[in-house]
Amino acid sequence: DVKVTQSSRYLVKRTGEKVFLECVQDMDHENMFWYRQDPGLGLRLIYFSYDVKMKEKGDIPEGYSVSREKKERFSLILESASTNQTSMYLCASSLSRLGTEAFFGQGTRLTVV
Amino acid sequence: TQLLEQSPQFLSIQEGENLTVYCNSSSVFSSLQWYRQEPGEGPVLLVTVVTGGEVKKLKRLTFQFGDARKDSSLHITAAQPGDTGLYLCAGVADSNYQLIWGAGTKLIIKP
Repeated sequence: DVKVTQSSRYLVKRTGEKVFLECVQDMDHENMFWYRQDPGLGLRLIYFSYDVKMKEKGDIPEGYSVSREKKERFSLILESASTNQTSMYLCASSLSRLGTEAFFGQGTRLTVV
Repeated sequence: TQLLEQSPQFLSIQEGENLTVYCNSSSVFSSLQWYRQEPGEGPVLLVTVVTGGEVKKLKRLTFQFGDARKDSSLHITAAQPGDTGLYLCAGVADSNYQLIWGAGTKLIIKP
Protein backbone atom coordinates (compact mmCIF):
# COMPACT_ATOMS: atom_id res chain seq x y z
CA ASP A 1 0.00 0.00 0.00
CA VAL A 2 1.37 3.37 -1.03
CA LYS A 3 2.29 5.71 1.73
CA VAL A 4 3.26 9.31 2.36
CA THR A 5 4.18 9.94 5.96
CA GLN A 6 4.51 13.31 7.63
CA SER A 7 6.58 13.44 10.79
CA SER A 8 4.04 15.20 13.00
CA ARG A 9 0.26 15.54 13.07
CA TYR A 10 0.27 18.54 15.39
CA LEU A 11 2.94 21.11 16.17
CA VAL A 12 2.93 24.22 18.31
CA LYS A 13 5.85 26.61 17.82
CA ARG A 14 6.75 30.08 18.98
CA THR A 15 7.10 33.09 16.74
CA GLY A 16 10.63 33.33 15.37
CA GLU A 17 11.47 29.64 15.77
CA LYS A 18 12.90 27.65 12.89
CA VAL A 19 10.49 24.83 12.07
CA PHE A 20 11.16 21.63 10.16
CA LEU A 21 8.36 19.57 8.62
CA GLU A 22 9.46 16.20 7.30
CA CYS A 23 7.81 14.06 4.66
CA VAL A 24 8.75 10.58 3.46
CA GLN A 25 7.23 8.55 0.62
CA ASP A 26 7.78 4.87 -0.08
CA MET A 27 6.59 4.75 -3.70
CA ASP A 28 9.82 5.80 -5.47
CA HIS A 29 7.97 8.82 -6.86
CA GLU A 30 9.91 11.49 -8.69
CA ASN A 31 7.74 14.41 -7.67
CA MET A 32 7.05 15.77 -4.22
CA PHE A 33 5.04 18.78 -3.16
CA TRP A 34 4.32 20.92 -0.12
CA TYR A 35 0.95 22.63 0.17
CA ARG A 36 -0.75 24.66 2.83
CA GLN A 37 -4.48 24.40 3.29
CA ASP A 38 -6.60 27.15 4.79
CA PRO A 39 -10.42 27.25 4.97
CA GLY A 40 -11.95 28.70 1.82
CA LEU A 41 -8.61 28.95 0.05
CA GLY A 42 -8.09 25.36 -0.97
CA LEU A 43 -4.62 23.95 -1.46
CA ARG A 44 -1.87 26.44 -2.21
CA LEU A 45 1.44 25.18 -3.53
CA ILE A 46 4.49 26.28 -1.56
CA TYR A 47 7.33 24.37 -3.22
CA PHE A 48 7.76 21.29 -5.34
CA SER A 49 10.58 19.07 -6.47
CA TYR A 50 10.95 16.94 -9.60
CA ASP A 51 14.20 15.28 -8.59
CA VAL A 52 16.74 14.98 -5.83
CA LYS A 53 18.38 18.31 -5.00
CA MET A 54 15.96 20.10 -7.33
CA LYS A 55 13.33 22.51 -6.11
CA GLU A 56 10.97 24.97 -7.66
CA LYS A 57 8.87 27.71 -6.13
CA GLY A 58 5.14 27.33 -6.08
CA ASP A 59 2.57 30.05 -5.63
CA ILE A 60 3.42 31.10 -2.06
CA PRO A 61 7.11 30.37 -1.31
CA GLU A 62 7.82 33.45 0.82
CA GLY A 63 8.96 32.56 4.31
CA TYR A 64 9.62 28.92 3.39
CA SER A 65 12.46 26.83 2.04
CA VAL A 66 12.77 23.15 1.18
CA SER A 67 15.35 20.42 1.04
CA ARG A 68 15.42 17.21 -0.96
CA GLU A 69 18.65 15.33 -0.30
CA LYS A 70 17.13 11.90 -0.95
CA LYS A 71 14.45 10.85 -3.40
CA GLU A 72 12.07 9.67 -0.70
CA ARG A 73 12.34 12.65 1.63
CA PHE A 74 11.17 16.23 1.17
CA SER A 75 11.49 18.71 4.01
CA LEU A 76 9.75 22.04 4.46
CA ILE A 77 11.52 24.66 6.54
CA LEU A 78 9.98 27.74 8.08
CA GLU A 79 13.02 29.95 8.58
CA SER A 80 11.40 32.18 11.21
CA ALA A 81 7.88 31.13 12.05
CA SER A 82 5.19 33.77 12.13
CA THR A 83 1.58 33.63 13.27
CA ASN A 84 0.33 33.93 9.68
CA GLN A 85 1.98 30.60 8.96
CA THR A 86 -0.47 28.86 11.27
CA SER A 87 -2.10 26.37 8.91
CA MET A 88 -2.53 22.76 7.82
CA TYR A 89 0.51 21.62 5.82
CA LEU A 90 0.12 18.76 3.37
CA CYS A 91 2.89 16.85 1.66
CA ALA A 92 2.17 14.94 -1.55
CA SER A 93 3.99 12.85 -4.10
CA SER A 94 3.24 11.77 -7.65
CA LEU A 95 4.77 9.34 -10.08
CA SER A 96 5.53 11.70 -12.93
CA ARG A 97 5.26 15.28 -14.12
CA LEU A 98 2.26 14.54 -16.30
CA GLY A 99 -0.47 15.40 -13.82
CA THR A 100 -0.72 11.92 -12.40
CA GLU A 101 -2.50 11.14 -9.15
CA ALA A 102 -1.20 12.93 -6.09
CA PHE A 103 -0.82 10.87 -2.91
CA PHE A 104 -1.05 12.89 0.28
CA GLY A 105 0.23 12.53 3.78
CA GLN A 106 -2.10 12.94 6.73
CA GLY A 107 -1.16 16.57 7.19
CA THR A 108 0.55 18.57 9.93
CA ARG A 109 -1.51 21.14 11.75
CA LEU A 110 0.96 23.84 12.74
CA THR A 111 0.09 26.54 15.26
CA VAL A 112 2.49 29.44 15.71
CA VAL A 113 1.97 31.38 18.93
CA THR B 1 -2.93 32.09 -14.58
CA GLN B 2 -5.40 29.25 -14.65
CA LEU B 3 -8.12 29.32 -12.02
CA LEU B 4 -10.66 26.72 -11.00
CA GLU B 5 -13.81 27.95 -9.27
CA GLN B 6 -15.65 25.41 -7.19
CA SER B 7 -19.22 25.79 -5.98
CA PRO B 8 -20.90 25.69 -3.61
CA GLN B 9 -18.31 26.23 -0.89
CA PHE B 10 -20.55 24.63 1.71
CA LEU B 11 -23.53 22.29 1.49
CA SER B 12 -25.53 20.72 4.29
CA ILE B 13 -28.36 18.38 3.30
CA GLN B 14 -30.44 15.53 4.66
CA GLU B 15 -29.64 11.90 4.03
CA GLY B 16 -31.31 10.67 0.85
CA GLU B 17 -31.18 13.95 -1.06
CA ASN B 18 -29.28 14.49 -4.29
CA LEU B 19 -26.63 17.13 -4.85
CA THR B 20 -24.26 18.49 -7.45
CA VAL B 21 -20.88 20.18 -7.01
CA TYR B 22 -19.36 22.22 -9.82
CA CYS B 23 -15.86 23.14 -10.94
CA ASN B 24 -15.61 25.84 -13.58
CA SER B 25 -12.80 27.57 -15.42
CA SER B 26 -12.23 29.71 -18.47
CA SER B 27 -9.16 27.60 -19.24
CA VAL B 28 -8.84 24.20 -20.85
CA PHE B 29 -7.44 21.33 -18.80
CA SER B 30 -5.85 18.17 -20.11
CA SER B 31 -7.65 16.23 -17.39
CA LEU B 32 -9.44 16.83 -14.12
CA GLN B 33 -9.23 14.99 -10.83
CA TRP B 34 -11.70 14.78 -7.95
CA TYR B 35 -10.50 14.15 -4.40
CA ARG B 36 -12.27 13.64 -1.08
CA GLN B 37 -10.70 14.69 2.20
CA GLU B 38 -11.94 13.53 5.58
CA PRO B 39 -11.17 15.49 8.76
CA GLY B 40 -7.59 15.00 9.93
CA GLU B 41 -6.52 13.26 6.74
CA GLY B 42 -5.05 14.18 3.39
CA PRO B 43 -7.12 14.20 0.18
CA VAL B 44 -7.65 10.88 -1.58
CA LEU B 45 -8.25 10.58 -5.31
CA LEU B 46 -11.77 9.51 -6.32
CA VAL B 47 -11.57 9.72 -10.11
CA THR B 48 -9.78 11.27 -13.07
CA VAL B 49 -11.68 12.39 -16.16
CA VAL B 50 -9.69 12.90 -19.32
CA THR B 51 -11.89 13.15 -22.41
CA GLY B 52 -14.31 16.00 -23.11
CA GLY B 53 -17.84 14.81 -22.35
CA GLU B 54 -16.60 11.84 -20.34
CA VAL B 55 -18.87 10.48 -17.61
CA LYS B 56 -17.59 8.20 -14.87
CA LYS B 57 -19.58 6.53 -12.13
CA LEU B 58 -18.40 5.42 -8.74
CA LYS B 59 -21.40 3.79 -7.01
CA ARG B 60 -23.71 6.74 -6.22
CA LEU B 61 -21.22 9.35 -7.45
CA THR B 62 -21.29 10.52 -11.08
CA PHE B 63 -18.48 12.64 -12.48
CA GLN B 64 -18.68 14.53 -15.75
CA PHE B 65 -16.05 16.43 -17.72
CA GLY B 66 -17.39 19.24 -19.89
CA ASP B 67 -17.23 18.90 -23.67
CA ALA B 68 -14.71 21.74 -23.89
CA ARG B 69 -12.67 20.38 -20.93
CA LYS B 70 -13.17 23.63 -19.01
CA ASP B 71 -15.58 22.42 -16.35
CA SER B 72 -16.63 19.38 -14.40
CA SER B 73 -19.39 18.28 -12.05
CA LEU B 74 -19.84 15.73 -9.30
CA HIS B 75 -23.37 14.47 -8.69
CA ILE B 76 -24.24 12.39 -5.64
CA THR B 77 -27.48 10.42 -5.64
CA ALA B 78 -29.22 9.58 -2.37
CA ALA B 79 -26.48 11.06 -0.21
CA GLN B 80 -25.46 9.19 2.93
CA PRO B 81 -23.70 10.39 6.11
CA GLY B 82 -20.59 8.52 4.93
CA ASP B 83 -20.35 10.97 2.01
CA THR B 84 -19.55 13.78 4.45
CA GLY B 85 -16.22 15.41 3.71
CA LEU B 86 -14.38 18.04 1.73
CA TYR B 87 -14.54 17.51 -2.03
CA LEU B 88 -11.75 19.03 -4.08
CA CYS B 89 -11.34 19.29 -7.83
CA ALA B 90 -7.94 19.68 -9.44
CA GLY B 91 -7.34 20.46 -13.10
CA VAL B 92 -4.17 19.40 -14.87
CA ALA B 93 -2.86 22.44 -16.72
CA ASP B 94 -2.29 21.94 -20.44
CA SER B 95 0.90 24.01 -20.44
CA ASN B 96 2.96 22.49 -17.62
CA TYR B 97 0.87 19.59 -16.20
CA GLN B 98 0.70 21.19 -12.78
CA LEU B 99 -2.39 20.68 -10.66
CA ILE B 100 -4.67 23.70 -10.30
CA TRP B 101 -6.91 23.28 -7.26
CA GLY B 102 -10.42 24.42 -6.56
CA ALA B 103 -11.13 25.82 -3.08
CA GLY B 104 -13.24 22.80 -2.12
CA THR B 105 -16.83 22.02 -1.19
CA LYS B 106 -17.49 21.09 2.40
CA LEU B 107 -20.35 18.60 2.36
CA ILE B 108 -22.32 17.55 5.43
CA ILE B 109 -24.98 14.86 5.18
CA LYS B 110 -27.29 14.81 8.17
CA PRO B 111 -28.89 11.49 9.19
